[in-house]
Amino acid sequence: QVQLQESGPGLVKPSQTLSLTCSVSGGSISSFYWSWIRKSPGKGLEWIGYIYHTGSTFYNPSLKSRVTISLDMSNNRFSLKLNSVAAADTAMYYCAGGRVLAFEMWGQGTMVAVSS
Amino acid sequence: DYVMTQTPLSLAVTPGEPASISCRSSQSLLDNDGKIYLDWYVQKPGQSPQLLIYTLSYRASGVPDRFSGSGSDTDFTLKISRVEAEDVGVYYCMQRIEFPIIFGQGTRLEIK
Repeated sequence: QVQLQESGPGLVKPSQTLSLTCSVSGGSISSFYWSWIRKSPGKGLEWIGYIYHTGSTFYNPSLKSRVTISLDMSNNRFSLKLNSVAAADTAMYYCAGGRVLAFEMWGQGTMVAVSS
Repeated sequence: DYVMTQTPLSLAVTPGEPASISCRSSQSLLDNDGKIYLDWYVQKPGQSPQLLIYTLSYRASGVPDRFSGSGSDTDFTLKISRVEAEDVGVYYCMQRIEFPIIFGQGTRLEIK
């Protein structure tokens, strides 16, 4: 069974870069679509973007100018970078994956607060 | 962007009774391949979201058959034939026919 685990700092200062990693175990990263999704306090789910094992990406236009998702095939993990963060980026961040763009598997989530 | 509108935003159901959640899309989710790219997720308290239904009506692995999905191009329904206490959570519909992927605002299910 494939398992996902997010890691990264829980606190980021405004204007800095949020960096998270999702480690994939129990299966190869080379077989699925991988996404980042977030849930801000009191709000619903927001899809951030995806990366396919070929390296192709697509980002939510609302975040596109600040987002980079990348693959690390040798370590079976993928990453999220979000630049120029502000308080509105405070959220629970989830990594998720699936054979298509339905999210069959999810990490447990990691809370990131943006504050000075 | 697509707009996904769920109703109701909350409902309270007696165990053993049915429940129904509606989701409406601002545009058709019927693709040229004949498939409707509408999924349902539930986020139970303290847990990550989990996939319930994909591509309109296919139950994800391990999902009980009391959950079913149906609908047409723009109007969709998630039905629970007999609600159980473990079904408490927030239910989301999601469209993935076109980027960006968009979730509905969520429907909170509580037990009476």
